[in-house]
Amino acid sequence: EPEVTQTPSHQVTQMGQEVILRCVPISNHLYFYWYRQILGQKVEFLVSFYNNEISEKSEIFDDQFSVERPDGSNFTLKIRSTKLEDSAMYFCASSEQDPEAFFGQGTRLTVV
Amino acid sequence: SQQGEEDPQALSIQEGENATMNCSYKTSINNLQWYRQNSGRGLVHLILIRSNEREKHSGRLRVTLDTSKKSSSLLITASRAADTASYFCATGLYGNNRLAFGKGNQVVVIP
Repeated sequence: EPEVTQTPSHQVTQMGQEVILRCVPISNHLYFYWYRQILGQKVEFLVSFYNNEISEKSEIFDDQFSVERPDGSNFTLKIRSTKLEDSAMYFCASSEQDPEAFFGQGTRLTVV
Repeated sequence: SQQGEEDPQALSIQEGENATMNCSYKTSINNLQWYRQNSGRGLVHLILIRSNEREKHSGRLRVTLDTSKKSSSLLITASRAADTASYFCATGLYGNNRLAFGKGNQVVVIP
């Protein structure tokens, strides 16, 4: 069964460093998303991406964040200068035209 | 802004029993989706119900949607130990595919 895959599963980084989280969405899907879940809190929307551009972003997705689809299969989230409060589980998701979104297993980002 | 909000329940039930959890939201929605999350793991899509649907089934899952009350319920019948997880509802608006998640219900099924 097709699935969204994310790498790495766990990333530890020093405050101020740049991180890139990687995702391979389901191959025939057209919409891509990033969400995050701070420990013990709700899953929060960050950004959606369609037709090679950001279609919507939340107030969380500030200038420190960027997304890219560098080739036909990968979808990345970059955090330029990580802060302690960026520590969270980051989920990539994808969907076809239908709003049914399928999520990856997540990358646990720990900023120290 | 709209958001899914589950009743803040932590259910503990015996294997074989049914588990019901509820979700309410605040504004008009296009669809509502239920997800399962095992501890520290990813979100598994369970079922999507559209605003023009009232009930939907998938295996042992039954979802209802009452748009007049802005609420949904998820019923898991004949629960199994493997159903132990957190269950989230997430609402989607018209015009975009962004989802707003609730806080989740923790369900523990005792073998």
